[in-house]
Amino acid sequence: DAGVTQSPTHLIKTRGQHVTLRCSPISGHKSVSWYQQVLGQGPQFIFQYYEKEERGRGNFPDRFSARQFPNYSSELNVNALLLGDSALYLCASSLAGEGTGELFFGEGSRLTVL
Amino acid sequence: DQQVKQNSPSLSVQEGRISILNCDYTNSMFDYFLWYKKYPAEGPTFLISISSIKDKNEDGRFTVFLNKSAKHLSLHIVPSQPGDSAVYFCAASVRFTASNYQLIWGAGTKLIIKP
Repeated sequence: DAGVTQSPTHLIKTRGQHVTLRCSPISGHKSVSWYQQVLGQGPQFIFQYYEKEERGRGNFPDRFSARQFPNYSSELNVNALLLGDSALYLCASSLAGEGTGELFFGEGSRLTVL
Repeated sequence: DQQVKQNSPSLSVQEGRISILNCDYTNSMFDYFLWYKKYPAEGPTFLISISSIKDKNEDGRFTVFLNKSAKHLSLHIVPSQPGDSAVYFCAASVRFTASNYQLIWGAGTKLIIKP
């Protein structure tokens, strides 16, 4: 079975641009979460979606948005990119939105903002 | 405000010996604690978890201990193997509505197993 897949794996943008990151969860998983990991730090929660509805939002500005599609895949959008948005963006899926917190992560999308 | 802290950025242990990774937290509302392992160029993978109502959980070579009064948990790996070399993240689960939660992560500890 395929794990969580993310695309693109690496990308370079310039300040002010917009980026869209994509995630396909494990088959059967209905919850998708997005995390930002800056070098030397642990992942920071951005969003959680379950059954196409936003269930949680971390402490990120409105430049960050996301959505979940009927097939449970998800997109993370970041507008007006800043240098500080350079990070590894991780997508994780799980069967439901609650529980022990066992998440299944993709390899991440590494975003560099110049 | 770091709610989950891993104060040791790195730890070096001889193969075959015990590895002990530590984690401290400040929020008494956390209901689950988890350990994830991360290899370079891969996403984190779940290792073991413990409910806040328990003080120990064991899975093979991995044991997690929770000391609620000290707001401290630790991961023990016995015996340590070269494949255990990775970054280990401590994470805590907090429920912010009835049907969803969020994980708060520590900064990670890089474990190096020496042959």
